[in-house]
Amino acid sequence: SQTIHQWPATLVQPVGSPLSLECTVEGTSNPNLYWYRQAAGRGLQLLFYSVGIGQISSEVPQNLSASRPQDRQFILSSKKLLLSDSGFYLCAWVIQGGQTEAFFGQGTRLTVV
Amino acid sequence: GNSVTQMEGPVTLSEEAFLTINCTYTATGYPSLFWYVQYPGEGLQLLLKATKADDKGSNKGFEATYRKETTSFHLEKGSVQVSDSAVYFCALAWAGTALIFGKGTTLSVSS
Repeated sequence: SQTIHQWPATLVQPVGSPLSLECTVEGTSNPNLYWYRQAAGRGLQLLFYSVGIGQISSEVPQNLSASRPQDRQFILSSKKLLLSDSGFYLCAWVIQGGQTEAFFGQGTRLTVV
Repeated sequence: GNSVTQMEGPVTLSEEAFLTINCTYTATGYPSLFWYVQYPGEGLQLLLKATKADDKGSNKGFEATYRKETTSFHLEKGSVQVSDSAVYFCALAWAGTALIFGKGTTLSVSS
């Protein structure tokens, strides 16, 4: 079956520290992968998407970066976290075409202190 | 560009009350429309979807009809339960784009 894993579930990091969130997908090949951030009162903001290994598109300029080192792996990173990076981060796998649908990981609650 | 607008919450209801959460969209062409639900502390789950005009998506007692003439996809349930308390997101997807979400509506149901 098709599943998506995201970790860690919660993270508390000091300002200026690095960040690495990992997302992996099982049961499919060459998936379209996405990182969203959910901030209070702002809904879901698309941060990055990737249609293949090494292919990253950025939707919003920010303090974050993304990488796709393997077909089913998508990583969200930062070299130096800001307070404003706090939020709930969601990885998603989107099946596109006639039956477009998205499957989400469980999310990572990031608190920058 | 494509966008989704849904009613702001929070929506507070008593158990067995009727629920409507409004959602309208702006898109070129004919997007697919979705409702996702997020229970406390969890990721998003697909609740229902509709892929063409006049389609009705339904699941767990929730329904939404794709109305092209009013560009709407309102979520309804005849009798809500405490367990329906969650955040509900309306979304659209079109021609290979990522899903575009509304800001979410928080529903709180009390017994």
